[in-house]
Amino acid sequence: NAGVTQTPKFQVLKTGQSMTLQCAQDMNHNSMYWYRQDPGMGLRLIYYSASEGTTDKGEVPNGYNVSRLNKREFSLRLESAAPSQTSVYFCASSEWTGGYEQYFGPGTRLTVT
Amino acid sequence: ELKVEQNPLFLSMQEGKNYTIYCNYSTTSDRLYWYRQDPGKSLESLFVLLSNGAVKQEGRLMASLDTKARLSTLHITAAVHDLSATYFCAAAPLYSGGSNYKLTFGKGTLLTVNP
Repeated sequence: NAGVTQTPKFQVLKTGQSMTLQCAQDMNHNSMYWYRQDPGMGLRLIYYSASEGTTDKGEVPNGYNVSRLNKREFSLRLESAAPSQTSVYFCASSEWTGGYEQYFGPGTRLTVT
Repeated sequence: ELKVEQNPLFLSMQEGKNYTIYCNYSTTSDRLYWYRQDPGKSLESLFVLLSNGAVKQEGRLMASLDTKARLSTLHITAAVHDLSATYFCAAAPLYSGGSNYKLTFGKGTLLTVNP
């Protein structure tokens, strides 16, 4: 099992460009999440999807959109990138068996210039 | 709104010493998680604590949960260099209309173990 996979690993965007970060999990989990990690800030939840067909805002949703394409895939879109969105983005998934322990992908390091 | 505070945020230890990282959270929670992150890497799950009084141990690390005090601790015994990493705690609120899926993370404790 690959667990949680993310693409791309690295990306550089110019201000105003758009892009989609892809995430997939092969653990048959219902819940999926997108976080951003900035120095000294810990992880902050951007959006989450409790189950296929539902999405909800987290702590810092502004400037982002998400799509839960199917049970396996959860994508994060930046419509018009801004330098403040320079960050490392992590996708995670979880299931109730195991107490909703979240499993994280390898991350995408995004720089917006 | 659930808030999670870790302390200390920076910890420099000598090999062989013991120390404790503290994780306080602001509202009722019965689920507490500890993660480890190495530089430039993803988060690795260490412990899942699901009830008051839960204690789990793995090697030189032991985690405990006191839901009455809203406190979890991560105790390091006889530290070794390989334990150098950033440690995060995260808490989940008690069920309230579906939000129990979400975790709130502390800012992390950067642990450096020196020879």
